[in-house]
Amino acid sequence: AQSVTQLDSQVPVFEEAPVELRCNYSSSVSVYLFWYVQYPNQGLQLLLKYLSGSTLVKGINGFEAEFNKSQTSFHLRKPSVHISDTAEYFCAVIFMDTGRRALTFGSGTRLQVQP
Amino acid sequence: DVKVTQSSRYLVKRTGEKVFLECVQDMDHENMFWYRQDPGLGLRLIYFSYDVKMKEKGDIPEGYSVSREKKERFSLILESASTNQTSMYLCASSSRAFSGNTIYFGEGSWLTVV
Repeated sequence: AQSVTQLDSQVPVFEEAPVELRCNYSSSVSVYLFWYVQYPNQGLQLLLKYLSGSTLVKGINGFEAEFNKSQTSFHLRKPSVHISDTAEYFCAVIFMDTGRRALTFGSGTRLQVQP
Repeated sequence: DVKVTQSSRYLVKRTGEKVFLECVQDMDHENMFWYRQDPGLGLRLIYFSYDVKMKEKGDIPEGYSVSREKKERFSLILESASTNQTSMYLCASSSRAFSGNTIYFGEGSWLTVV
């Protein structure tokens, strides 16, 4: 079965420091890639997505992600984090060659920004 | 604004009860999905539907069933609730001509089975 791996369950970081949240997925011919954020006691919010074209994707709140096909990765980055970025982040993939138009999620990474 | 509405935000049910979680979307979307979210496991797909009266099993369908009698409504049914079904349940929808456009999520339903 296709899978999405977020190796880091928690990432502590100081305010204004850069951060990278890692996401890898099982090999597939064609994928759509997404990052979602979930703030405490709130629903999911789409941060950014990659469908095709430029492998560097910019999203909301200063986040960006880079698609690396050879490494089957889609890591999320932010050059300088704020306290308000404290949340859980989910990587999600649609594996187009399965014909299933549903998101497969990683287990999530909890970003904890400390002052 | 697109809306995916889950009628119950918080429910407490007893073991063995039959539980219905309702989801309604107002964008005439063909595709609808049910996920459950658990700490450390992310969101896992329970069932999905591409059309009225149509359903497909997701990754963890055991103990659940679904109903899609109308295009806008997708119900998740727990035939006999068990404590290991205590979780947050999220409904989502998207259009048939899905080309990576946003999948819309509801706010979630917190279910506690005691």
